[in-house]
Amino acid sequence: DGGITQSPKYLFRKEGQNVTLSCEQNLNHDAMYWYRQDPGQGLRLIYYSQIVNDFQKGDIAEGYSVSREKKESFPLTVTSAQKNPTAFYLCASSWQGPDTQYFGPGTRLTVL
Amino acid sequence: AQKITQTQPGMFVQEKEAVTLDCTYDTSDPSYGLFWYKQPSSGEMIFLIYQGSYDQQNATEGRYSLNFQKARKSANLVISASQLGDSAMYFCAMRGANAGGTSYGKLTFGQGTILTVHP
Repeated sequence: DGGITQSPKYLFRKEGQNVTLSCEQNLNHDAMYWYRQDPGQGLRLIYYSQIVNDFQKGDIAEGYSVSREKKESFPLTVTSAQKNPTAFYLCASSWQGPDTQYFGPGTRLTVL
Repeated sequence: AQKITQTQPGMFVQEKEAVTLDCTYDTSDPSYGLFWYKQPSSGEMIFLIYQGSYDQQNATEGRYSLNFQKARKSANLVISASQLGDSAMYFCAMRGANAGGTSYGKLTFGQGTILTVHP
């Protein structure tokens, strides 16, 4: 089955620790995206990548980093520089930039 | 800059009735796309329907239709024959379509509307 997987579903970390969220897709999509969602809010774009080995900052990139070494993978690292990292993180992918984005199930990160 | 406004924090509808969820947008891009997504309590974002800014007809997908009024910059979602499983948060989103533009491929989301379907 084609789709987008994110792991883990729930993640707990201590303050000051870096943490990496996984996102994998087997849809052969070129573009991948990371969004953050806070309670009762819409999604905000963190980073996006249109092709392998290239990525751009979104609206709230501070305190986050990404890599795109393979077409199917786009991991997100939440660094200790992120002031308020507790949130729901959603990964998405699409064929090209303007095409419909399809989302993974999300990772709920709680920093204690 | 792009902006999406959803003015209804919550909506209630009786099962089997139709409901309209409002969405207005603002953009300077001549070409853009409008999307609606459903987010159940599980958290996953489910794509429902898409409307291109140059599409002549309103988009329809099963029980979902998009009432696109370009001059008013509105893209309301109409759900016909509501079902209990339609209870969820609904998001309107838009993205620019001009390659090289600052909003190319980037989705901007509204705040969402919580829909509750009563039996």
